[in-house]
Amino acid sequence: GENVEQHPSTLSVQEGDSAVIKCTYSDSASNYFPWYKQELGKGPQLIIDIRSNVGEKKDQRIAVTLNKTAKHFSLHITETQPEDSAVYFCAARKSRWVEYGNKLVFGAGTILRVKS
Amino acid sequence: DTAVSQTPKYLVTQMGNDKSIKCEQNLGHDTMYWYKQDSKKFLKIMFSYNNKELIINETVPNRFSPKSPDKAHLNLHINSLELGDSAVYFCASSQTLLVQDTQYFGPGTRLTVL
Repeated sequence: GENVEQHPSTLSVQEGDSAVIKCTYSDSASNYFPWYKQELGKGPQLIIDIRSNVGEKKDQRIAVTLNKTAKHFSLHITETQPEDSAVYFCAARKSRWVEYGNKLVFGAGTILRVKS
Repeated sequence: DTAVSQTPKYLVTQMGNDKSIKCEQNLGHDTMYWYKQDSKKFLKIMFSYNNKELIINETVPNRFSPKSPDKAHLNLHINSLELGDSAVYFCASSQTLLVQDTQYFGPGTRLTVL
């Protein structure tokens, strides 16, 4: 089955700097890659996603890039702010729902700390 | 007007007990899920239901039994609780099973088994 590896496990940056989190997936059939942010005591919340037919997607300070050949995708946060501090999860999913049931496979998470 | 709600938020119980966690979504979604997040924050899917029909059962012990009385509810019943069941359980929902449909997560239920 699908396996998603995420690095680093913790990341500390100074406010205003950029943060990059990387994920690698194993199953070339995966074609949808969301990123979730989990704040303390809350459930994960989708912040951005990308499909396999797109190489890059941007939403204000957040961007995601996908390299299908290398089977890895990355989250980029620019001009980080203290409120960006949270746990970030990458995930991968396949489209054939009858077989895979819309199953999200998550990476292990990255604790991002933004120091002011 | 919470989209996905879970009760209770905290659950502390003794080994061997039976407990239930309830989940409701008011988004009109067809698909609901249960995830388990362990102490290392690792998130893993347990079950997926679409229109009250079980779609995914991810090698979860049969002590765990989901029940979907209608599309808006997916409850999780756990029999004979074990120490290893201690975790945060998240309910989620999506419009359909389509790959691009966002999964919306509830606030979680922290289960502690003593």
